[in-house]
Amino acid sequence: RKEVEQDPGPFNVPEGATVAFNCTYSNSASQSFFWYRQDCRKEPKLLMSVYSSGNEDGRFTAQLNRASQYISLLIRDSKLSDSATYLCVVISYNTDKLIFGTGTRLQVFP
Amino acid sequence: GAGVSQTPSNKVTEKGKYVELRCDPISGHTALYWYRQSLGQGPEFLIYFQGTGAADDSGLPNDRFFAVRPEGSVSTLKIQRTERGDSAVYLCASSLDRNEQFFGPGTRLTVL
Repeated sequence: RKEVEQDPGPFNVPEGATVAFNCTYSNSASQSFFWYRQDCRKEPKLLMSVYSSGNEDGRFTAQLNRASQYISLLIRDSKLSDSATYLCVVISYNTDKLIFGTGTRLQVFP
Repeated sequence: GAGVSQTPSNKVTEKGKYVELRCDPISGHTALYWYRQSLGQGPEFLIYFQGTGAADDSGLPNDRFFAVRPEGSVSTLKIQRTERGDSAVYLCASSLDRNEQFFGPGTRLTVL
């Protein structure tokens, strides 16, 4: 079983739609959580960190449920430019290496 | 300012050959990471340097893979006796004091 699991998609949604991605992690010692965005044939870039209290950045909301070992990302009012792969990432206690999920591909159409 | 740079951007080699991939981190970043990304997968950790020393090399798949960072800045990932299964995008990232990791554009390695 992979340490971080995501539905690979693709998710095809119209502009303006709300879409949610989920991610589960298996290591209960995981202590830091992130969502990265990766465009086709580009490097991953940090989208947002995920905190236990939940956090919001504009149209993006991330939530963490430590009891269920579950992370989510909600995108409201989808734009064409949101089309990308969204990578769920965790860091375990006392390490610095990022553990990535396979990514979920989002395609927003006009 | 300049981000993380990697050279070459593309490398095609034959099975059995030796390759070197180079990473120039952001100036002043003490931590440097190597990851490998295969098609349809997320990046997988290979090795992490803090300064000149390898702090964690648990992700290196076997002894054909080796990395150095002799002066605590530029790093080279070395692969001996390449195999077709080594074909992937090799990503380098750097960070300052265990903060956000910034990725370079990667080197796409193809082993024929």
